[in-house]
Amino acid sequence: EAEVAQSPRYKITEKSQAVAFWCDPISGHATLYWYRQILGQGPELLVQFQDESVVDDSQLPKDRFSAERLKGVDSTLKIQPAELGDSAMYLCASSPRTITARNIQYFGAGTRLSVL
Amino acid sequence: AQSVTQLDSHVSVSEGTPVLLRCNYSSSYSPSLFWYVQHPNKGLQLLLKYTSAATLVKGINGFEAEFKKSETSFHLTKPSAHMSDAAEYFCVVESYNTDKLIFGTGTRLQVFP
Repeated sequence: EAEVAQSPRYKITEKSQAVAFWCDPISGHATLYWYRQILGQGPELLVQFQDESVVDDSQLPKDRFSAERLKGVDSTLKIQPAELGDSAMYLCASSPRTITARNIQYFGAGTRLSVL
Repeated sequence: AQSVTQLDSHVSVSEGTPVLLRCNYSSSYSPSLFWYVQHPNKGLQLLLKYTSAATLVKGINGFEAEFKKSETSFHLTKPSAHMSDAAEYFCVVESYNTDKLIFGTGTRLQVFP
């Protein structure tokens, strides 16, 4: 069964350092999402891509966070500089373009970030 | 704006007994509602989805949920809990006219032998 791949699974960094997370969606899925899940809370959308275009980044802290999906396939989320409050699970999800399955999102296992 | 409220942060049941995880929604239109499950160190997995067809929705692993418009509820149930059901469960509503999912705060289900 196809899965959303994310790496690394765990990342420990010191504050003010740069970190990057990678996501490879299920093949053929046009829409890609990055979520942040703080411990004890539900995931919150950071950015949504349709192919290579950003369609929603209203909750992305753009002074330190950036996301790209250059060829409309895999994606990278970067934080620079990292702050203590960025410690969280970062989840990637993808969904297909078909009408019936458009709003079903398939999630990767996530990257757990700890900022010291 | 759409939102969901999960009424219990923790639920504990014995193996073989029924499971009830409660969720209320707020929406000015007929919403799309979901339940997702998150096992430790794994990604979220879709359990079931409601999109204005049958009000009783059957999902995977024996779970089902009933959409009750009069009560604005979408509670998740299972007749008999299994140890493998221990996980975090999220009630989710789709934002109107977009693909954006809005998650509840989650309910941690513990299953005791």
